[in-house]
Amino acid sequence: GQNIDQPTEMTATEGAIVQINCTYQTSGFNGLFWYQQHAGEAPTFLSYNVLDGLEEKGRFSSFLSRSKGYSYLLLKELQMKDSASYLCAVFRAWSGGGADGLTFGKGTHLIIQP
Amino acid sequence: SQTIHQWPATLVQPVGSPLSLECTVEGTSNPNLYWYRQAAGRGLQLLFYSVGIGQISSEVPQNLSASRPQDRQFILSSKKLLLSDSGFYLCAWSSSLGETQYFGPGTRLLVL
Repeated sequence: GQNIDQPTEMTATEGAIVQINCTYQTSGFNGLFWYQQHAGEAPTFLSYNVLDGLEEKGRFSSFLSRSKGYSYLLLKELQMKDSASYLCAVFRAWSGGGADGLTFGKGTHLIIQP
Repeated sequence: SQTIHQWPATLVQPVGSPLSLECTVEGTSNPNLYWYRQAAGRGLQLLFYSVGIGQISSEVPQNLSASRPQDRQFILSSKKLLLSDSGFYLCAWSSSLGETQYFGPGTRLLVL
């Protein structure tokens, strides 16, 4: 089966740093995505990790350890607009064969306080 | 640039009624297309996947079906809606060579 775990909710302060963890156990792994989803809106792409290590993109960084089945999203210099759900998703071979699909975690609701 | 459209934006339907949700992509050819559902308190669930016209793969059995009549058009249907079909339906696309999926604005469906 597929199992992707991330905390349900986290709270952080404006200007601070927060790390959102994701652990996964899936049959097949090609890479890991992070998406941001504001309430009532569609998810938007943040990052994609295929190899172990840290990928930095502005205020956001994403880390992957394939041997540990672990990833985290690091958000620096938090802003109020960063209040959203953050979705971890594993990119894996389609169960029916021949194509690839995403399996999502339930998301982490991040609350930014002034 | 590529854009993805979905309609309607919101829909309220009675139990047992049919459903048709449409998704279209502009600015790309031969995209991979996906239908997801996000129910309250649950993660995004992949419903259907398509690599080309008339080619549909189903991830989970259910009373929904999907069709791809044209290269950049993906339709989600049901003959008889259930209460459990309520949710936020998202269409996504990726290039035939890429992994990153880009989501449409979604359709919020409420079945009463």
